[in-house]
Amino acid sequence: NAGVTQTPKFQVLKTGQSMTLQCAQDMNHNSMYWYRQDPGMGLRLIYYSASEGTTDKGEVPNGYNVSRLNKREFSLRLESAAPSQTSVYFCASKGSTVTGELFFGEGSRLTVL
Amino acid sequence: RKEVEQDPGPFNVPEGATVAFNCTYSNSASQSFFWYRQDCRKEPKLLMSVYSSGNEDGRFTAQLNRASQYISLLIRDSKLSDSATYLCVISRASGSRLTFGEGTQLTVNP
Repeated sequence: NAGVTQTPKFQVLKTGQSMTLQCAQDMNHNSMYWYRQDPGMGLRLIYYSASEGTTDKGEVPNGYNVSRLNKREFSLRLESAAPSQTSVYFCASKGSTVTGELFFGEGSRLTVL
Repeated sequence: RKEVEQDPGPFNVPEGATVAFNCTYSNSASQSFFWYRQDCRKEPKLLMSVYSSGNEDGRFTAQLNRASQYISLLIRDSKLSDSATYLCVISRASGSRLTFGEGTQLTVNP
C-alpha cells in the first residue's frame, strides 16, 4: 500500500541551488498539498491543488513553484534555495472536498547551507 | 490573530490521567474540524474528526463549540503510547484548504 510517496527523503543544498521535490499518490485523490514544518511549529501550507489542472497559493508560497503534472503527481520546486527554506516538507492528498482524511507522505528533510 | 491557535504545552501527565486540549479558531465560516496526531519526526495522521454533536472513539472524546469557536480533545486513562503532538486542523466551506494549529505536545510518564 504505497499511499503518498515523496522523493527524495533527504537533501542538502547550497544557497542558490535549485531542486524539485516529487510527490505521487495512488489513491485517485483530487486534492494534493505541500506543507512545510519547522522545528516546534505546526504545518504551514505552501501550495495546494484542489483538482487536476488547478493550483493555489497557501500561507507561505514565496520562493516556491508547483506543478500538478496529472492527477497522481504534484511537484514542488525551489528555484533558488535559501537557508530559510531549511525545513521538513510534507506532501498530502485528500479525496473528499468537504470531509475526508489527509494522507501524508513520510516527509522530505531539506537543509540549505 | 492566528487562524488556529493551540496551547503548545508541553503537557506532562502520569499514566492513567485524564488530559484535555483546546483549540480556538478565528474564522466563523470554518466548517470541518479534525484532530491529527504526529509522532516525533513522522508524518501526521488523522486521530478523529470533530462533529457538531461531539463524538467519542474509545478513550478519546472530541467536542465542538461553534458559539465560542473552539474544539476540544479529551483523553481518558492516558497510555505511554499517547505521547505525541496533537494538531488541530480546520477547513473552510470549500473543504480544499486545511489550516493546522501549531500542535500541543503531550508526554505521558510511567
